[in-house]
Amino acid sequence: RKEVEQDPGPFNVPEGATVAFNCTYSNSASQSFFWYRQDCRKEPKLLMSVYSSGNEDGRFTAQLNRASQYISLLIRDSKLSDSATYLCVVNDNDMRFGAGTRLTVKP
Amino acid sequence: NAGVTQTPKFRILKIGQSMTLQCTQDMNHNYMYWYRQDPGMGLKLIYYSVGAGITDKGEVPNGYNVSRSTTEDFPLRLELAAPSQTSVYFCASSTTSNYGYTFGSGTRLTVV
Repeated sequence: RKEVEQDPGPFNVPEGATVAFNCTYSNSASQSFFWYRQDCRKEPKLLMSVYSSGNEDGRFTAQLNRASQYISLLIRDSKLSDSATYLCVVNDNDMRFGAGTRLTVKP
Repeated sequence: NAGVTQTPKFRILKIGQSMTLQCTQDMNHNYMYWYRQDPGMGLKLIYYSVGAGITDKGEVPNGYNVSRSTTEDFPLRLELAAPSQTSVYFCASSTTSNYGYTFGSGTRLTVV
């Protein structure tokens, strides 16, 4: 089993849609969790940390379920500019990156 | 505010050649990392450093070497390049090991 698993997509959604990504991790002792965004041929950039109580940043909501060992990212009212690959990252003393989920938002 | 700067952006190497990928950060971060990213794969950690003079191997260190003589610089050395080292290399830094990383813009390396 991979340490961090994501649905590779691609997710193709119309503007204004709500889209959700899930990510599962194998190490129950994992301590911290993040979502990164990576545009085509660019570096990953930190989108948000994921806290146990869940957290929201504008149109983005992140949730953590420790019992089931998954984290999620919800994007509401998606924009064309949200098109990117979203990387799930889990820290279990090492930062472990998922392979990413590709999102394309279409007009 | 430059953040993390990597050079070069692109490079083509012949099999057996050597090169150094440069990485500099101006945020006074103690932690620095080198990752490689292959298509369809997650980033893999090559080497990391928790401070000047201290380096350690990551998940895929074979064929690479690093040094950390200053807080700012963390160069990655490739000796005897092989086609399997064709990849995109990212340098990153952070304030602690448990905090989000700042990445450089990457080096695209092709070994032919």
